[in-house]
Formats: sequence, structure tokens, C-alpha cells
Amino acid sequence: AQSVTQLDSQVPVFEEAPVELRCNYSSSVSVYLFWYVQYPNQGLQLLLKYLSGSTLVKGINGFEAEFNKSQTSFHLRKPSVHISDTAEYFCAVRSTGRRALTFGSGTRLQVQP
Amino acid sequence: DTGVSQNPRHKITKRGQNVTFRCDPISEHNRLYWYRQTLGQGPEFLTYFQNEAQLEKSRLLSDRFSAERPKGSFSTLEIQRTEQGDSAMYLCASRKGGQNEKLFFGSGTQLSVL
Repeated sequence: AQSVTQLDSQVPVFEEAPVELRCNYSSSVSVYLFWYVQYPNQGLQLLLKYLSGSTLVKGINGFEAEFNKSQTSFHLRKPSVHISDTAEYFCAVRSTGRRALTFGSGTRLQVQP
Repeated sequence: DTGVSQNPRHKITKRGQNVTFRCDPISEHNRLYWYRQTLGQGPEFLTYFQNEAQLEKSRLLSDRFSAERPKGSFSTLEIQRTEQGDSAMYLCASRKGGQNEKLFFGSGTQLSVL
């Protein structure tokens, strides 16, 4: 079975501050990991993905994430957030041999001026 | 690409009625997924098609739910005898085969069962 835990349901942060959104996964086999973002009134879109290779992956809009196999984590980070980063962020996992993604419950990032 | 298109955007129905949603994936995408999302939760997998073949169904998908993808193009999701617990956003996503792994999501169909 595969599962994802996003411990923080909401993260308030001031503009230009750094942010980290936490994601932990559970799987007994190798995994592919993803972060998707959902802006208000828009569909989900891919922010970044880890398939293999370098454990530090960079995505769109200045976000990056690091795959840590020993801690089964894939935390999302940005060194300086903007108001426009306000959105819901979903971590997702697909184990090898599975066809579909399993999503976490999401973290609402609220960037304040 | 024109993106993944879902219709209708909103559907309000009375309990016990049948509803059908349509998804038009990106044209060259042979893999199509249906997900359901309720408020405060992440999307939950419902079913998966590769071309016209339905290869996986979640245990969440009761026998009141049926999905089709004739000719491997658009897909429909039908819910029979709707219940209030079916109220949710129904999302469709598609992607190419191979190693790309990038899912493209539609804007969803919001179902409200009264």
C-alpha cells in the first residue's frame, strides 16, 4: 500500500520569507514523488517530480524538493515566497507497480504582505 | 495543447437521480484517470484507463459508479441512484505513456446532491 501524510493543513507566512511544506510517504517499494499546486479556481498542475537520480529536484516558480529515502520524506521548499504563491499544495506518490497517484490531504499556503 | 476539458462544470441533482460527466483528455494522451476530491482533502483515485481498457478501479468505486472510454478518446463517468455522500468535485486527468509521468488535470465537475 502507498500513502502520503502532509502534517500541516495550513502554513501562514509573510511575503519574502522562506517556507517548507512537509510531506512524508509510506511504501514498501520504490516510489515516484510529486508536488502539485492548485491555485484558487484553477485545476491541479505539476510543480515538480522525483523519478530517479539527483535527490534535489527543482520545479517551476522557484520551488525545490528533496527526496530523503531514509526519512521517507519529500519536503517542498522555497527561499522567498510571493503573494502569488498562495495556493493549495498536494504531495503525491506512485509506487512502482501501481498505476495511480495517491495524494496527501494538502497544505494551504497563505502568503501575507 | 488545449488541455483536459470536463463538462459540465457544475451539476446539481436530487438524491436518487443518475448523472453523467464527460472528460475530453489531451488528444495524444492514452492514459486517463478519474479522481474525486472533497473539501479539505486531496484527490482520491477512482479509476484508470489505458486507451479504451479500464485497467484499474478503486475500492471506492461502488457498483453505482461506471466509467467508459470508448475508442480510447473521451471518457464518461456515470453515477446511478446518487446519494448525498456522492457530493464532491470529480476530476479527470490524462498523460502520455512512458516515463514522463506528468498528469494534466481538468478543472473538474462539482456535483451537489440534494
